[in-house]
Amino acid sequence: GDSVTQMEGPVTLSEEAFLTINCTYTATGYPSLFWYVQYPGEGLQLLLKATKADDKGSNKGFEATYRKETTSFHLEKGSVQVSDSAVYFCALSDRVIQGAQKLVFGQGTRLTINP
Amino acid sequence: DSGVTQTPKHLITATGQRVTLRCSPRSGDLSVYWYQQSLDQGLQFLIQYYNGEERAKGNILERFSAQQFPDLHSELNLSSLELGDSALYFCASSFRDGYSGNTIYFGEGSWLTVV
Repeated sequence: GDSVTQMEGPVTLSEEAFLTINCTYTATGYPSLFWYVQYPGEGLQLLLKATKADDKGSNKGFEATYRKETTSFHLEKGSVQVSDSAVYFCALSDRVIQGAQKLVFGQGTRLTINP
Repeated sequence: DSGVTQTPKHLITATGQRVTLRCSPRSGDLSVYWYQQSLDQGLQFLIQYYNGEERAKGNILERFSAQQFPDLHSELNLSSLELGDSALYFCASSFRDGYSGNTIYFGEGSWLTVV
C-alpha cells in the first residue's frame, strides 16, 4: 500500500540555519504531496503542496519539489526561526476512487530551533 | 484558524464508556474526514463522508461509528472505550470531491483520555 517515510527526529538547529527534512513515498499512482505543520497545542495546518511531478510548493519561506524519479518531496528552508519549532508531517493523497480521498502521513519530524 | 470546529477540546472518560465527538466543517465544504493521532500509531485515517454519504473507510474499529448530517456537521461515536483509544481525534474538511490534490483543512482536535 501507499506509504510515506520521513527522516527521524528530533531535529535541533540554531536560528538562521538551513533546514532539510527528507521525505520519500511509495504510491501506486500519481499522488499529490503535502507538508503539514503542527505547532505546539494546535491542529494540523497545510504548509505547502504539489500535485504533479516537478511542481514546487512554497509558503512562509519553506519549499519542496515533487521529484517523481526519486519519489521524494524534501522540505527546505534557507534560514529557520525560533517560531518554526513544530512537528512537520509529509503526506500523500493517491488516486481517487469514487470520490474517496485519503491522506497517508509520515511519522512526523519534531523540529526545535534554538535562539 | 482553519474554520473547522471541533468539540469538545478535551474529554476524560472511563473504560467501557461511550463518547461523541462533534465537528463543523468549513463553510461550504462538503467532505468531512476523521483522523486519529496517537503516539504509537501516528496519524491514521478513520473515515470520510461527502455530502452525507460515506466515501471511504480506513482503520476504523467496529466500536467506532460516524455520520454526517444534512447540515454537513459530523459526529464520531466511540463506544466500549479502552485505554488504547486515548488519542487526539482530528476532524478535517474539504470542498471538492474526487481530486487527489484537494487541500484538506484540519480542526484543532479533540483530546480523548480514557482512564
